[in-house]
Amino acid sequence: NAGVTQTPKFRILKIGQSMTLQCTQDMNHNYMYWYRQDPGMGLKLIYYSVGAGITDKGEVPNGYNVSRSTTEDFPLRLELAAPSQTSVYFCASSAGTSGRVQETQYFGPGTRLLVL
Amino acid sequence: LAKTTQPISMDSYEGQEVNITCSHNNIATNDYITWYQQFPSQGPRFIIQGYKTKVTNEVASLFIPADRKSSTLSLPRVSLSDTAVYYCLVGDVTGGGNKLTFGTGTQLKVEL
Repeated sequence: NAGVTQTPKFRILKIGQSMTLQCTQDMNHNYMYWYRQDPGMGLKLIYYSVGAGITDKGEVPNGYNVSRSTTEDFPLRLELAAPSQTSVYFCASSAGTSGRVQETQYFGPGTRLLVL
Repeated sequence: LAKTTQPISMDSYEGQEVNITCSHNNIATNDYITWYQQFPSQGPRFIIQGYKTKVTNEVASLFIPADRKSSTLSLPRVSLSDTAVYYCLVGDVTGGGNKLTFGTGTQLKVEL
């Protein structure tokens, strides 16, 4: 199993450009998440999904959109890139089957985004 | 989600035991305590999780007192490869998903 994969690894965007960060997991997990991490800070939740066709906002959703058409894929869309979106973006997944136990989240390697 | 407080940084030497304490005064009844480790340029990795008393696995122990307002991650005999940021997280599964709230973590530096 590859686990959680993310593409691209690194990208430079100009202000106002758009892009999609790709995330795929091969563990058949129900739950998927997008986080951003600014330098020296902890991760902040952008969006999450509890299953195909279901998404919800996290702590910092403004400027981003997501979709979940399949169990495996959870792309993150930036429509109008701004310098404040310069960050490292991590995708994660968890099984979503334990019910009452907070499950382990498995993280991808991250996408480093620079907006100039 | 409960707010957590942990030291910004800690230094240690190889072979020593390291204890990182996390404070979570407003922990709720359904909350679990989870620790993640993050190396530079990598995503966080799960270390250990507990609800009360003591939990031990192959890499760490987690001590949780009866009032659950704090917890201590114990790393036995650390090595250089344990240099990383350690995050304490408190939360539950209510409200949908398994949402985690990350603080700034504790930067552990292990030296020879």
